[in-house]
Amino acid sequence: NAGVTQTPKFQVLKTGQSMTLQCAQDMNHEYMSWYRQDPGMGLRLIHYSVGAGITDQGEVPNGYNVSRSTTEDFPLRLLSAAPSQTSVYFCASSYSLSLRYGYTFGSGTRLTVV
Amino acid sequence: TQLLEQSPQFLSIQEGENLTVYCNSSSVFSSLQWYRQEPGEGPVLLVTVVTGGEVKKLKRLTFQFGDARKDSSLHITAAQPGDTGLYLCAGRFGNEKLTFGTGTRLTIIP
Repeated sequence: NAGVTQTPKFQVLKTGQSMTLQCAQDMNHEYMSWYRQDPGMGLRLIHYSVGAGITDQGEVPNGYNVSRSTTEDFPLRLLSAAPSQTSVYFCASSYSLSLRYGYTFGSGTRLTVV
Repeated sequence: TQLLEQSPQFLSIQEGENLTVYCNSSSVFSSLQWYRQEPGEGPVLLVTVVTGGEVKKLKRLTFQFGDARKDSSLHITAAQPGDTGLYLCAGRFGNEKLTFGTGTRLTIIP
């Protein structure tokens, strides 16, 4: 099992550029989510999806878009990159939001906006 | 937004020593999980606790859920360099999504 696969691993963008961070899972998980991790701030939820065709905003959604056309894929789009979006981004999935199920995380994308 | 506080924020100890880290909230958790994150990787689930007073063991790691389900602790016996990492607690309040703490960064010195 590949689990959760994120690409790219590293990316440098110029202010104002757009890009898509890819996330794919092969575990038939219904729930998928995107987090950003910054020093001293912990993991903050950007967007999430409880199934194909269903997405919702998390704690810090501004500047990001998502879509979920299939169960397997959940891409994160940066519309116009800003230095404040420099961070490490993690995609996570779970079989469900039931109490006993944990999240499986990808290995992250380190994004630098200059 | 529910808050989880983890303490200490940083901990550096010698190999072979014991340690305990804590996760606290002012609200009642419906369940709580512990994750470990190594540099350059995503967090990995260690354990889930659901029942107040529950204790789970994973080799040298002992996890305890408070009786009132507002706190949890992780105790490591005879720490080894492989235990080095960022330990994150994550709690569910009701049927909400997981809320993560800011973590305890643990360094074990050989």
